[in-house]
Amino acid sequence: AQKITQTQPGMFVQEKEAVTLDCTYDTSDQSYGLFWYKQPSSGEMIFLIYQGSYDEQNATEGRYSLNFQKARKSANLVISASQLGDSAMYFCAMREGGGGSNYKLTFGKGTLLTVNP
Amino acid sequence: DTGVSQDPRHKITKRGQNVTFRCDPISEHNRLYWYRQTLGQGPEFLTYFQNEAQLEKSRLLSDRFSAERPKGSFSTLEIQRTEQGDSAMYLCASSLLRREAFFGQGTRLTVV
Repeated sequence: AQKITQTQPGMFVQEKEAVTLDCTYDTSDQSYGLFWYKQPSSGEMIFLIYQGSYDEQNATEGRYSLNFQKARKSANLVISASQLGDSAMYFCAMREGGGGSNYKLTFGKGTLLTVNP
Repeated sequence: DTGVSQDPRHKITKRGQNVTFRCDPISEHNRLYWYRQTLGQGPEFLTYFQNEAQLEKSRLLSDRFSAERPKGSFSTLEIQRTEQGDSAMYLCASSLLRREAFFGQGTRLTVV
């Protein structure tokens, strides 16, 4: 089974509107972390936002927020007030386990976001 | 800004040749990772160093692949006897313990 599922291969949004990118995950660990990264055409993976499994509040970083629904195992990224520069691939990733064993990330296949002027 | 730096950015090589990539992590980061990304996929974990110790190698890393991190600073990833299936983007990342990983811009390898 896929550990990270991103069901939207591509999404379109109008500039200045909000968009939600979906991510569901599968783990039996109680302690885990969820990440979103942005990958522009230049190739670099840019860290956007992090949510820990024990965090009670949804994470927010500027225009990015993470809609964390633990029971549904979903961690959707919400981008508010989209900008043309937001056009990129977006990857959801998970780091399982606690203590020193949690280091590697498992990524989904990504969602290509296009922001239209 | 001294982020993660990778060199070269692009490499074209003939099948059967050896290639070596370099990664310079963020200086205070003790953890370093290599990932591989093929077209249309997310990055896949290859290997992990904590300081100079290589603590895990993925089964994706065949015997033709070797990675080092001497003195716990920069790292190199070598591929011997390259094959067309090795064509991919090779991404390096670094982090502090339990913190988010910061990625470099990657080395795009094309094997012809």
